[in-house]
Amino acid sequence: AQSVTQLDSHVSVSEGTPVLLRCNYSSSYSPSLFWYVQHPNKGLQLLLKYTSAATLVKGINGFEAEFKKSETSFHLTKPSAHMSDAAEYFCVVSGPSNTGKLIFGQGTTLQVKP
Amino acid sequence: EPEVTQTPSHQVTQMGQEVILRCVPISNHLYFYWYRQILGQKVEFLVSFYNNEISEKSEIFDDQFSVERPDGSNFTLKIRSTKLEDSAMYFCASSEALYTDTQYFGPGTRLTVL
Repeated sequence: AQSVTQLDSHVSVSEGTPVLLRCNYSSSYSPSLFWYVQHPNKGLQLLLKYTSAATLVKGINGFEAEFKKSETSFHLTKPSAHMSDAAEYFCVVSGPSNTGKLIFGQGTTLQVKP
Repeated sequence: EPEVTQTPSHQVTQMGQEVILRCVPISNHLYFYWYRQILGQKVEFLVSFYNNEISEKSEIFDDQFSVERPDGSNFTLKIRSTKLEDSAMYFCASSEALYTDTQYFGPGTRLTVL
């Protein structure tokens, strides 16, 4: 079965400092992995996705994530946080191939302090 | 940029009433999904839909739920007799293809059952 664990429910950083949001996954096959972001009162927006090509994936707004199969991790990073990055972030793994089902982590709230 | 839209943004209903949540997927997309997020919990998959049929449904998606594509643009989720525990944010999503393809999410409908 597939599952996703986001290791921090809440992360607080200062503006201009690096961001690290941690995600571990479990899957019985080679999954696709995604990070989505949800700003207050907005829908879920795709930040980036990994689909078995390059292990370092670049996304929008300066975010990137590295797929590490040996560690079953897909951590999200950004070199320098901006106030507008404050939001809820979801690590997501694809479900079985013929369903389209996505399996979400519980989310990490990113707070950015001035 | 094309986007998924959902109406209404907020629906309040009495327990036992029927509700229909509406979604307009991106026009060239063929696969459609509903997810829900109960306050404080993970986003959960409900159902995927393709070619006028349900492809996959979760154990949450019982006989009280149904989905329909009544015309070429709308995709609806009906809850026949709402319960208090159906209170949640409901997200519609669509994708061009299945599995590795990106799912684009709407802004959600917040359903409150009193």
